[in-house]
Amino acid sequence: SQTIHQWPATLVQPVGSPLSLECTVEGTSNPNLYWYRQAAGRGLQLLFYSVGIGQISSEVPQNLSASRPQDRQFILSSKKLLLSDSGFYLCAWSVIRLAGTSGELFFGEGSRLTVL
Amino acid sequence: AQTVTQSQPEMSVQEAETVTLSCTYDTSESDYYLFWYKQPPSRQMILVIRQEAYKQQNATENRFSVNFQKAAKSFSLKISDSQLGDAAMYFCAYLLQGGSEKLVFGKGMKLTVNP
Repeated sequence: SQTIHQWPATLVQPVGSPLSLECTVEGTSNPNLYWYRQAAGRGLQLLFYSVGIGQISSEVPQNLSASRPQDRQFILSSKKLLLSDSGFYLCAWSVIRLAGTSGELFFGEGSRLTVL
Repeated sequence: AQTVTQSQPEMSVQEAETVTLSCTYDTSESDYYLFWYKQPPSRQMILVIRQEAYKQQNATENRFSVNFQKAAKSFSLKISDSQLGDAAMYFCAYLLQGGSEKLVFGKGMKLTVNP
């Protein structure tokens, strides 16, 4: 069966420090991978998605970047965190959509980032 | 651009009763998918139910069913016989068929189930 692991679960970082959140998927090959940010009252905001190794699409210009060094690994990074980067970050994966498949997303348990 | 609107930020329901969560969306496309996701307090988001826009029949999954009104661009979720475990944040989402792999979410709605 497929599983998704995301870490760390909780992170407290000072402003200006770097960030690295990691997500790995097991039990599937060539998944689509996503990073979402969830803020209270604002729903889920898609930050990045990737349909293959080295292929990253950015949805929102911001202080963050993403990389996909391996097929089932997705990393969210920042060189210098801002206060506004605080939030709950969710990694997700989906299978490549073929005719008749619906693109269901499978989510990790999330990472709570607090920037002080 | 496609948008998804959940106008009710919070709702409550008594255990064993029925509740309906509303969702509207805006798109100029004709082929797409709609989803309801549930996020319990443990935080892991899971799929509740999905609907293909080309299907006229409303999707059902046990106690969960949808009322899909394509012309009105409305996609409500009905939870029957509400249980304490149904308490969660519920998100409505839209995915364009054949388009980019991007799911667009609403802002979510917090459902409280009272014993």
